[in-house]
Amino acid sequence: DAGITQSPRHKVTETGTPVTLRCHQTENHRYMYWYRQDPGHGLRLIHYSYGVKDTDKGEVSDGYSVSRSKTEDFLLTLESATSSQTSVYFCATARENTEAFFGQGTRLTVV
Amino acid sequence: DAKTTQPNSMESNEEEPVHLPCNHSTISGTDYIHWYRQLPSQGPEYVIHGLTSNVNNRMASLAIAEDRKSSTLILHRATLRDAAVYYCIPYIIQGAQKLVFGQGTRLTINP
Repeated sequence: DAGITQSPRHKVTETGTPVTLRCHQTENHRYMYWYRQDPGHGLRLIHYSYGVKDTDKGEVSDGYSVSRSKTEDFLLTLESATSSQTSVYFCATARENTEAFFGQGTRLTVV
Repeated sequence: DAKTTQPNSMESNEEEPVHLPCNHSTISGTDYIHWYRQLPSQGPEYVIHGLTSNVNNRMASLAIAEDRKSSTLILHRATLRDAAVYYCIPYIIQGAQKLVFGQGTRLTINP
């Protein structure tokens, strides 16, 4: 929906390794978001962006960093993955004061 | 950030109306009220949003209290496909347009 592509869709990685998840959009939406969702829980905001190079922390930003060097891409990086970061990660995009559109999610397992 | 209170779960029967309540007593005057839902194993999807007036679209209706401290999402004729977790979110549109999810209401539809 809304031309959002998350990559990879599935990833297994080892504890201590860096991991980067990519969110790519083709709609020229200004706002982009990264969430994580753990089993049986709601979505928790990690970081969000309100423009190129404009980002801010969400509720659970520790251990994560983001970058947005161009409108269409929002990268989420786990500098040193831990087992507690095993989760499903969702990206979302939105224009000014309209609905947000969500990607299909990335399932990350840290072993 | 404005806090929301929703019932953890609700149950209804197919083809009957469903009224999903949400309290957002700390909402600011410029925050829109957005509703999203998440079907099993999928990313969230937009349902409806409003500011002060009641709103209708093809999916649902949104009734907003005059003091804006609560709202109700109305599914006029529930189907099995409407079984999902429904999230009410005050959408902070000033500045960074932050989108923070609460715990939501898990709606079960009985055939």
